[in-house]
Amino acid sequence: DTEVTQTPKHLVMGMTNKKSLKCEQHMGHRAMYWYKQKAKKPPELMFVYSYEKLSINESVPSRFSPECPNSSLLNLHLHALQPEDSALYLCASSQDGASRQFFGPGTRLTVL
Amino acid sequence: GNSVTQMEGPVTLSEEAFLTINCTYTATGYPSLFWYVQYPGEGLQLLLKATKADDKGSNKGFEATYRKETTSFHLEKGSVQVSDSAVYFCALRGVSASKIIFGSGTRLSIRP
Repeated sequence: DTEVTQTPKHLVMGMTNKKSLKCEQHMGHRAMYWYKQKAKKPPELMFVYSYEKLSINESVPSRFSPECPNSSLLNLHLHALQPEDSALYLCASSQDGASRQFFGPGTRLTVL
Repeated sequence: GNSVTQMEGPVTLSEEAFLTINCTYTATGYPSLFWYVQYPGEGLQLLLKATKADDKGSNKGFEATYRKETTSFHLEKGSVQVSDSAVYFCALRGVSASKIIFGSGTRLSIRP
């Protein structure tokens, strides 16, 4: 299994909603990442988890809350988002923090 | 700091034309260099990579050579196909770093 899976594929939420994005990999990778990609822009790193511990937070607002419950799963909890947070959210994983990253297909988020 | 500059798009070519997408970088030491491809509505896929000077990465007919002297990693393909239509991102990762820095992306459209 060389896949990173993400659910849901699409998500529409209001500014008062609470939702979660999920990411899963079964490659035994110990580093996992969240990226945000706005339309026609490159991905921007948000968070890096290494061995289930948060190792990088790129000054992301607290309305985004990552969670790594185990080595295969990475969640991104969303609360009180703004319309400008609408984007494609990509998850990635790698064997360790310096190895090739495998990307999931993304969750396309729309905040109304 | 590290950065990646790639040619502005969109690039429109006819099928079987020769493709070059320029990419230059700024970094200390010897970063790893990558080309990622993003097909419409999908996440990123690693197309090819090179980890040291003069390395040539190749995949699916695409090639790029790590040129330390010109700090470049230009992407080439001898004969493009309609199925190559996508956005291409040049990227680098510093030595022992987790963070990948992406260029702005180049949209490629191939007409039959």
